[in-house]
Amino acid sequence: KAGVTQTPRYLIKTRGQQVTLSCSPISGHRSVSWYQQTPGQGLQFLFEYFSETQRNKGNFPGRFSGRQFSNSRSEMNVSTLELGDSALYLCASSLVTSGVSSTDTQYFGPGTRLTVL
Amino acid sequence: KQEVTQIPAALSVPEGENLVLNCSFTDSAIYNLQWFRQDPGKGLTSLLLIQSSQREQTSGRLNASLDKSSGRSTLYIAASQPGDSATYLCAVEEYGNKLVFGAGTILRVKS
Repeated sequence: KAGVTQTPRYLIKTRGQQVTLSCSPISGHRSVSWYQQTPGQGLQFLFEYFSETQRNKGNFPGRFSGRQFSNSRSEMNVSTLELGDSALYLCASSLVTSGVSSTDTQYFGPGTRLTVL
Repeated sequence: KQEVTQIPAALSVPEGENLVLNCSFTDSAIYNLQWFRQDPGKGLTSLLLIQSSQREQTSGRLNASLDKSSGRSTLYIAASQPGDSATYLCAVEEYGNKLVFGAGTILRVKS
């Protein structure tokens, strides 16, 4: 069974630009979450999508947005990039059969390394 | 606001030693607790998941315990090997699949 895939793996952008990252979950998984990892702040939750609906959102500005498609693939978009947005962006998927997870492991992709110059 | 703390921040041990990593959290209203490992520049690999109603889980040389009432979890690694060298992350799951992570313990196992 294929794991979580993320594209692209590496990205270099300049301040003010926007970027779109893609995540394909494990087949059959309906929940996709996004995290930002930086040396200073560690791993922080961005948002979670379940069946195309955003169920939960972390404490990030509105420049960070996402969406989920009917096949559970997800994209996140960052507009008006700032230097501080440089980070490893990780996507995770889980089965979540009942809509509320207590037993489902989250499986992480390899991440997209975003560098903002 | 949930806060997760991991102690120690870094650990260096000789091969073969048994070791314990600690994790504490401030709010006991969690769905589960998960332990992950992360190799440099890579994504996270799930090691163990303990549901909020469980006390421990075991996988091979790994054993994780959970005391929800006191807000503590430990990860026990038996007979450590150089391949165990990585960053170990503890995370508690809140509503909506939200994981709140600790800062991690950097483990180095010397051969």
